[in-house]
Amino acid sequence: DVKVTQSSRYLVKRTGEKVFLECVQDMDHENMFWYRQDPGLGLRLIYFSYDVKMKEKGDIPEGYSVSREKKERFSLILESASTNQTSMYLCASTGYEQYFGPGTRLTVT
Amino acid sequence: GNSVTQMEGPVTLSEEAFLTINCTYTATGYPSLFWYVQYPGEGLQLLLKATKADDKGSNKGFEATYRKETTSFHLEKGSVQVSDSAVYFCALYYNQGGKLIFGQGTELSVKP
Repeated sequence: DVKVTQSSRYLVKRTGEKVFLECVQDMDHENMFWYRQDPGLGLRLIYFSYDVKMKEKGDIPEGYSVSREKKERFSLILESASTNQTSMYLCASTGYEQYFGPGTRLTVT
Repeated sequence: GNSVTQMEGPVTLSEEAFLTINCTYTATGYPSLFWYVQYPGEGLQLLLKATKADDKGSNKGFEATYRKETTSFHLEKGSVQVSDSAVYFCALYYNQGGKLIFGQGTELSVKP
């Protein structure tokens, strides 16, 4: 069974903290994605990666960075969390179709 | 540029009612089109897809037909159930590498 897992379902962080969100897929997919989901805005692409150590900016990369040191793991990093980064974060990987993780609901206070 | 527009929600229906969620797109070329569903507290799951004009995708009683002439991919179901309550996203595939563009999502609530 296909699986994309995310490190936390719920996370609360303080403004200015460095935040790591991790995503792991077990399907040997090359392509992985990070989205944020906000009411009324749908899913917006933050970053994606085509291969290990490869990354490309999506539509809203500002305030975020990513790391892909191993094929199965794609990390999203908030260097200095801000309240406007409070959101649901979804990771996905792509083979024939796009598979999503369960999401991490991040609250920045 | 490429974009997807869905009807605004929330949509509230009684059980066994007919469902339509409108989706239109703007794209160059011939994108593939998808409907994803997000049940409460979960990630997105692929519901159905269509890869070329006039294709009909179907799954779990849901259907959508790729209409190139109207650039639409409306989601329909003849008789909804309470368990269909979820957020539905229309999406198109473009470019390379599996990137998708999503609509804003439509929340469906089905009452018994």
